[in-house]
Amino acid sequence: DVKVTQSSRYLVKRTGEKVFLECVQDMDHENMFWYRQDPGLGLRLIYFSYDVKMKEKGDIPEGYSVSREKKERFSLILESASTNQTSMYLCAHRPRDRDPGTQYFGPGTRLLVL
Amino acid sequence: AQKITQTQPGMFVQEKEAVTLDCTYDTSDQSYGLFWYKQPSSGEMIFLIYQGSYDEQNATEGRYSLNFQKARKSANLVISASQLGDSAMYFCAMREGNYGQNFVFGPGTRLSVLP
Repeated sequence: DVKVTQSSRYLVKRTGEKVFLECVQDMDHENMFWYRQDPGLGLRLIYFSYDVKMKEKGDIPEGYSVSREKKERFSLILESASTNQTSMYLCAHRPRDRDPGTQYFGPGTRLLVL
Repeated sequence: AQKITQTQPGMFVQEKEAVTLDCTYDTSDQSYGLFWYKQPSSGEMIFLIYQGSYDEQNATEGRYSLNFQKARKSANLVISASQLGDSAMYFCAMREGNYGQNFVFGPGTRLSVLP
């Protein structure tokens, strides 16, 4: 069974705090993704990584950074959280040999920035 | 311009009836893929069905089928014999090109199945 875990289901932070969202997959997949989901906007890609230490910007990278030191772990970092980063954050991964659209998602982290 | 349009923010359907969720897309690529994902209240996104732009037959997966009309650029999801567990958000998505690492999601349709 494919397993993706995200470090927290719910998180409340204050403006200006540094926030780490962790994603771990147990399938040895190369490709990992971070999305944010907002009502009426669907999912928007923040960053993705196709291998260890590799990262590429998605559609909305501003205000975020990522870290991929190990294959199974892909971290999303908010250097200085702002209220407009209140959102649902979803991590996903896929194996190299599957269609790019067939992704396995984690349960999501609901982040509230006060 | 929106790449994926889902015009129905919400839909209701009676249990055991069929329902169609609309999706239109915009691309100039010849090779692309269309996907539907389901998101229950638990938050996890679940892959449902895939249609490649060169596939001549409509994709089917159990009670799900994708009504692909290439000339009209539409990829509607049909759920037959709705069940209460089908109540969820449904997202249409598109992957452009052969090796696109990212792809675009629509805004979603919330389906509610009534007993």
